[in-house]
Amino acid sequence: GAGVSQTPSNKVTEKGKYVELRCDPISGHTALYWYRQSLGQGPEFLIYFQGTGAADDSGLPNDRFFAVRPEGSVSTLKIQRTERGDSAVYLCASTSTSGNTIYFGEGSWLTVV
Amino acid sequence: KQEVTQIPAALSVPEGENLVLNCSFTDSAIYNLQWFRQDPGKGLTSLLLIQSSQREQTSGRLNASLDKSSGRSTLYIAASQPGDSATYLCAYIQGAQKLVFGQGTRLTINP
Repeated sequence: GAGVSQTPSNKVTEKGKYVELRCDPISGHTALYWYRQSLGQGPEFLIYFQGTGAADDSGLPNDRFFAVRPEGSVSTLKIQRTERGDSAVYLCASTSTSGNTIYFGEGSWLTVV
Repeated sequence: KQEVTQIPAALSVPEGENLVLNCSFTDSAIYNLQWFRQDPGKGLTSLLLIQSSQREQTSGRLNASLDKSSGRSTLYIAASQPGDSATYLCAYIQGAQKLVFGQGTRLTINP
């Protein structure tokens, strides 16, 4: 696609439920990132994929958070037993192997009530 | 913990003014530094990328400088326009491409 696509754009879920957020990176980009942005803050790194493997998952806050990228393209961020503190915008980004410019999607706005 | 600080947190200026946004960071061994723009409810758009060996980059009315020795970067916006209103974030690359962001400066240009 022309840009990084994220779905859903908005998600409201009840505390304790499971959610999945999807990211479709720019075609051909091998590096994919997930960031989380709380209101009034800058984005915080969650996880980085190079191809199918998670090269750095040091930003995942706890074991309720998990991300996959099984075919090296689309990625899914999975959050189990959601808590109100998980409410934030989840941003996905991708880069090519040779370039340094990073392209962000518009984010998935998650609200846990 | 590596940190990025952006000052001011918010800035409101009349149209046409030149302005400077500031970014300071604690890690002098950064790989590169980027400035991003974020419009309300939107993702981030990369504005300028300064490699660690460079001191500045220019794009149109924007100029970004990098001084690694002092841990500072500035974004200069010339002849500001209402369309420049947005949040501006700086970030540096840590390790294998992990961006560390500041909290951003919310800029409002008044017509």
